[in-house]
Amino acid sequence: QLVESGGGLVKPGGSLRLSCVLSERFGDYMSWIRQAPGKGLEWVAKISGSGTYINYADSVEGRFIISRDNAAKSLFLHMHSLRVEDTAVYYCAIQRGGLREVWFDPWGRGTLVSVSS
Amino acid sequence: QSVLTQPPSVSGAPGQRVTISCTGSSSNVGAGYDVHWYQQLPGIAPKLLIYANINRPSGVPDRFSGSKSGTSASLAITGLQAGDEADYYCQSYDSSLNGYVFGTGTKVTVL
Repeated sequence: QLVESGGGLVKPGGSLRLSCVLSERFGDYMSWIRQAPGKGLEWVAKISGSGTYINYADSVEGRFIISRDNAAKSLFLHMHSLRVEDTAVYYCAIQRGGLREVWFDPWGRGTLVSVSS
Repeated sequence: QSVLTQPPSVSGAPGQRVTISCTGSSSNVGAGYDVHWYQQLPGIAPKLLIYANINRPSGVPDRFSGSKSGTSASLAITGLQAGDEADYYCQSYDSSLNGYVFGTGTKVTVL
């Protein structure tokens, strides 16, 4: 249902754009969530159905930009000033529930971003 | 950084019951925000297991159950099966961070 792409190897300080294409309805809030190798899950950013409301984790605020193209049923994550610690598998996921009482279902398969010199 | 604490690992024999705790604080679980649980099989994306503390999505066996009390929540797995070997994560909302937080993760091993 959700397919991410755009991951790859990038040098510290570089940029990358991730995409997530949805095969069905695309009016919901969506989020990016990442998982560093061998580590736990970390929520990264969310965007409302209209694209009006956006929120970021402190760890990426000012460096990452989340956006969406509803006509193309696509979600994006523009990553700038990448750091080694941004290395992770990045998942897109649909948010369910309300604004705070939120769970994620379903998730995409993920795309790997590696930041290394 | 995870603000919800889980035991690193739990194990049990086939058929047994295991429980996984998820301990938060007054800005997340203790503030009354719901807890949700995910199962992550090796090499696979996480899958929703329990939402809003106690609810199972369609297709999730009733061997999995959730509960919540105070600043903690728990996931119980009864009738443990080899296919339950996975990492399990809890998740909630944190008002201090104004964002969604995950637990540290628990690896379940079937002996």
